Amino acid sequence: AQSVSQHNHHVILSEAASLELGCNYSYGGTVNLFWYVQYPGQHLQLLLKYFSGDPLVKGIKGFEAEFIKSKFSFNLRKPSVQWSDTAEYFCAVRPGGSYIPTFGRGTSLIVHP
Amino acid sequence: DVKVTQSSRYLVKRTGEKVFLECVQDMDHENMFWYRQDPGLGLRLIYFSYDVKMKEKGDIPEGYSVSREKKERFSLILESASTNQTSMYLCASSLTQGAGGEAFFGQGTRLTVV
Repeated sequence: AQSVSQHNHHVILSEAASLELGCNYSYGGTVNLFWYVQYPGQHLQLLLKYFSGDPLVKGIKGFEAEFIKSKFSFNLRKPSVQWSDTAEYFCAVRPGGSYIPTFGRGTSLIVHP
Repeated sequence: DVKVTQSSRYLVKRTGEKVFLECVQDMDHENMFWYRQDPGLGLRLIYFSYDVKMKEKGDIPEGYSVSREKKERFSLILESASTNQTSMYLCASSLTQGAGGEAFFGQGTRLTVV
């Protein structure tokens, strides 16, 4: 079974700092990749997704992620975080031909003003 | 916008009770999922369904069952609630085909079993 690893469990940053959250997966075939965000008290929502094409994917609120196939990675980045980015972030992988996304354990991000 | 609606935001139940968690989606999605979210453990799949009356076990199905009698509705049933089932329960839906395929989530139901 595939697995998804998020290496940073808790990240604390000051506003304007740069962010990179790691995500690695174990599946060797074609994959669809996702980053979700859960703001305090809100439902999980999609930040960005990769299906095919350009491995650099841009999402909402200035986030981007890069798919590096050789490293089985899909790291999330933002050049300058804001206090409103405080949330929990989840990476998810859906193997091609599967209905089911597998989620990582999540990264809790706290941004101090 | 896709809307996934869970019937309750908060529930408190007693040990041994039979508990029903309801989920409805309004976008004609084939796939529906029940996840459990616990701190430090992320989202763990309990059950999923890819069609009406079809269901498959996920990673942690013990103590749970599901029902999908209509395409838009997917119910999670705790046959006899126990304190270790205290958790946040998330329902999601998705399309099978197309360039989408991402899951859309409900607000979650925080269940406390006392």
